Amino acid sequence: DGGITQSPKYLFRKEGQNVTLSCEQNLNHDAMYWYRQDPGQGLRLIYYSQIVNDFQKGDIAEGYSVSREKKESFPLTVTSAQKNPTAFYLCASKTRTNTGELFFGEGSRLTVL
Amino acid sequence: GQQVMQIPQYQHVQEGEDFTTYCNSSTTLSNIQWYKQRPGGHPVFLIQLVKSGEVKKQKRLTFQFGEAKKNSSLHITATQTTDVGTYFCAGDGSGGGADGLTFGKGTHLIIQP
Repeated sequence: DGGITQSPKYLFRKEGQNVTLSCEQNLNHDAMYWYRQDPGQGLRLIYYSQIVNDFQKGDIAEGYSVSREKKESFPLTVTSAQKNPTAFYLCASKTRTNTGELFFGEGSRLTVL
Repeated sequence: GQQVMQIPQYQHVQEGEDFTTYCNSSTTLSNIQWYKQRPGGHPVFLIQLVKSGEVKKQKRLTFQFGEAKKNSSLHITATQTTDVGTYFCAGDGSGGGADGLTFGKGTHLIIQP
């Protein structure tokens, strides 16, 4: 079945550690996105990538890094520079058409202790 | 940058009552999308509106896009317990491109049996 797989689903880390969240899609989508969700804040765009080996900062990119070495994969690293990393992270993808529907993964909940 | 405001933040209704959430953008949108997120889940695409004044229906759900393409609404008739969740609008100001959507903060629909 086609879809987006995020892992891990839950992650606990100590303050000051870098963390990498995995996102893999088999939908053959060109564009991939990372959103952060906090209670009462909706979804905020961290990074996005329209094509392999290229990515752009979103609204809240500080303290995060990404790579797009393969079309299927768009991992997100939450670095120690991110001041408030505890959140629910959602990966999404879509085709580069006017339809624009975003397909979301099930999310990764990161808790920094 | 583009801002999308959504109200109300929370809405409590009795089962069988109607529900409406409103979305307003600071800029003209090329299209607007609506998503539903069940508690503990991830956002799922409901619909996209593209044309000025467009109205679309999905069973008990009615979606409208304003004439100026800066506001939208979602109305649910005779709510059911399965309607529980958070409803997000997401504005695309980029003409259907791949640079991400701006999400509203969502309306949490709480239904009392």
